[in-house]
Order: sequence, then structure tokens, then C-alpha cells
Amino acid sequence: DTAVSQTPKYLVTQMGNDKSIKCEQNLGHDTMYWYKQDSKKFLKIMFSYNNKELIINETVPNRFSPKSPDKAHLNLHINSLELGDSAVYFCASSPGREAYGYTFGSGTRLTVV
Amino acid sequence: AQSVTQLDSQVPVFEEAPVELRCNYSSSVSVYLFWYVQYPNQGLQLLLKYLSGSTLVKGINGFEAEFNKSQTSFHLRKPSVHISDTAEYFCAVSEGSGGSNYKLTFGKGTLLTVNP
Repeated sequence: DTAVSQTPKYLVTQMGNDKSIKCEQNLGHDTMYWYKQDSKKFLKIMFSYNNKELIINETVPNRFSPKSPDKAHLNLHINSLELGDSAVYFCASSPGREAYGYTFGSGTRLTVV
Repeated sequence: AQSVTQLDSQVPVFEEAPVELRCNYSSSVSVYLFWYVQYPNQGLQLLLKYLSGSTLVKGINGFEAEFNKSQTSFHLRKPSVHISDTAEYFCAVSEGSGGSNYKLTFGKGTLLTVNP
């Protein structure tokens, strides 16, 4: 059973489109995250939700909007995609707010053409 | 604010040689420290973590790391590497217990390449 699953694994789309990435965890964790890994492999947090409450919102363009319908799901919607949005997006979860129990998903490789 | 510096972007070694991947951090509060490994086209897997207690931490796949508070370092070591250890390694830091911001801050990664 996959602990943190993301769909799709690969996403190729044109500039200007709107797309969503979905994430689900079956670990019973309270906190979920979105991280972005750029072409140089640098990982940076974008958002974090704890029990459906937004607790971390880094400097991210307004085109990115997270949505957490329940504590097991955290989706990422991106409007008006740009070339610079091309990256690998990782979802993660942890039992509480503290960072020592992270489990990462396998990533979604987004390519904007 | 916390930050992580991985001093080497690439480390090539021969199989069965020892390796050390260096990591220094900066934080004004107590920290938790982590090493993650990323194999090609895969997600991140936790190698080991330091939360408190013994400064020598043992992880999976024969890796260990030592927390040095005075030098603000958390270097990763393995006495004898295998070809299968070839991967990208990330050091990460978060605020420790009693903090208010628990996000993981990552270093830029070190590519370990093990050659036969």
C-alpha cells in the first residue's frame, strides 16, 4: 500500500493552461505539505496544511492554490501555467506539526511547453 | 530563519572507499536535523535524523551522522560505499521542540557517484 500517493506522475501541458495535482495519504497524519524541486534539484516548501488549516504559505505566486478537502488529501491547483513552473512537485505528510515524521510521495514531474 | 549549506555539490568515490558528505546549518533556535536520499526519478527517503540525545546517529544502509553543535555541523559518513549508493543526498533542518515553524529547509544536495 502506497503511503503518500500523487497523481499524475507526469504532466505535460501548454503555457496558459490550468492543471491540478492530487495527493492522498493513508498514514493518518495530520499535516500535509507541497514542495517544489527545481531543475537544479533544489527543494523548497510551498504550502503546509494541518487538519485542513493552512499553516505555511511561502512566497508562491497567487496562481498556485492548495486545497485540502480533508486531512488525508491535499491538492495543488495551478492557473495560467508558465514555463518556469516546470519542476517536480512533491507531496509529503507528517504526524503532527513537527518535521521528524515526514513521508514523501514519489513526485509529479510537470513540464510546461 | 534557518539555513543549510552542503559544502560539496558532487562527490565521486570508488566502490568500497569511505565517504563523508558535509552539512552545516544555521539557526537561532534548537533544531532537528535530517539526511534524505533521492535515487534517480524517485522521491525522498529518510536516511537518518537527529532529534535529541546521542550526537552519533545511525541510519539505514550503513550510514551514520554526527551532530556537532559547536561547529553547527551534521556530516554524513559511510565506511564503505557500494555502487548502489549512487544518488543525490540532501541535508535538512527544522525547528526543534518548542518551535513554531516546522517546515523542512533543505540544502542544495550532494550528488554521490560511486565508481567501480
